[in-house]
Amino acid sequence: EPEVTQTPSHQVTQMGQEVILRCVPISNHLYFYWYRQILGQKVEFLVSFYNNEISEKSEIFDDQFSVERPDGSNFTLKIRSTKLEDSAMYFCASKNPGTEAEAFFGQGTRLTVV
Amino acid sequence: AQTVTQSQPEMSVQEAETVTLSCTYDTSESDYYLFWYKQPPSRQMILVIRQEAYKQQNATENRFSVNFQKAAKSFSLKISDSQLGDAAMYFCAYRSVNTGNQFYFGTGTSLTVIP
Repeated sequence: EPEVTQTPSHQVTQMGQEVILRCVPISNHLYFYWYRQILGQKVEFLVSFYNNEISEKSEIFDDQFSVERPDGSNFTLKIRSTKLEDSAMYFCASKNPGTEAEAFFGQGTRLTVV
Repeated sequence: AQTVTQSQPEMSVQEAETVTLSCTYDTSESDYYLFWYKQPPSRQMILVIRQEAYKQQNATENRFSVNFQKAAKSFSLKISDSQLGDAAMYFCAYRSVNTGNQFYFGTGTSLTVIP
């Protein structure tokens, strides 16, 4: 069964530091996503990525955030100058094109900013 | 904007019994998909069941079925013959057919199965 894998499972960082969250999507998928869930709140869309560029992003995804597919297999989310309120569970997902295609999610990375 | 609401943060069910998880949503679109995802502790979120809005028939997958009420914008998940492995966080989600690929999620319902 193919799956999306995320590393690390838990990241603790000091406020103001930069973090990179890593995801390995399913190999033949073409759409990639990042979502986040602040504790007790909804899972929120951050960004979608297709054909090596951002296809959609939410208001949350400001200049503090960036995404990259550096080597054709990893899909990373970089958060610069982390704030306490960036503490959340971050989910990566991938899917093929088409509205019928199923999205597959990773197990999440819990980011704690202290 | 689309919103998804899950009003039950926690639910519990006796093993072998039936439980229903509630979900309501708000949209002005007529065509869309609705989903229930299950996330066991420290595991991937996996798709449980999907409903296309244009289909009147409620989707079923083995012990899992939905009650889709389009006019009421309600999409509840029924789990029959609950098993210990059903214990997880359950997320209701909406995705538009026409506008983008992003999901809109609810806050989730944590289901406990009591042996």
